[in-house]
Amino acid sequence: LAKTTQPISMDSYEGQEVNITCSHNNIATNDYITWYQQFPSQGPRFIIQGYKTKVTNEVASLFIPADRKSSTLSLPRVSLSDTAVYYCLVGAKGAGKSTFGDGTTLTVKP
Amino acid sequence: GAVVSQHPSWVICKSGTSVKIECRSLDFQATTMFWYRQFPKQSLMLMATSNEGSKATYEQGVEKDKFLINHASLTLSTLTVTSAHPEDSSFYICSASGGEAQETQYFGPGTRLLVL
Repeated sequence: LAKTTQPISMDSYEGQEVNITCSHNNIATNDYITWYQQFPSQGPRFIIQGYKTKVTNEVASLFIPADRKSSTLSLPRVSLSDTAVYYCLVGAKGAGKSTFGDGTTLTVKP
Repeated sequence: GAVVSQHPSWVICKSGTSVKIECRSLDFQATTMFWYRQFPKQSLMLMATSNEGSKATYEQGVEKDKFLINHASLTLSTLTVTSAHPEDSSFYICSASGGEAQETQYFGPGTRLLVL
């Protein structure tokens, strides 16, 4: 399983764009990159998933360079409610086993 | 879509008793379910992977006789913590994948277990 490395914590202010980068140097050919958000005492919530290049949905964008050894989650115009822990997972799609890294604690300030 | 529920949301039990936690996929058929444990201020740790109708595959260091997992149907998996001790107190989270939700894992809300 690919090991992931993320910054332990990040601070931002309301209305700013936040980019969280995850390193996964030993990603396998059939691995996908998935990002989750977790609030205290809740299960992780799916944010976005991608394989290469750029993926965008209604809440975030995911940028993956050609070598796929890293990925960047971009959250546009964050609000206080985006304060949470963000995890990137690397593994086979869906039923494939993935290992959670330490996650990034994002704190959004007013 | 892709909703996963857990029951109970929290449970308090005495040391030595057994506790069963249910994980259900409400709107899709989950061919695979995962069970995680999370201690305060830590990341999720995978305990086991279960496929419907098959025995669960446990991660190294997880006692299969203590954490009994049953995935008898495509919508239900159960985790039974047998002879619970205070050190088993934790946040247990399941995830499910399969059917219309085969693209990724969808997580339940978690179950807080406190063993006295």
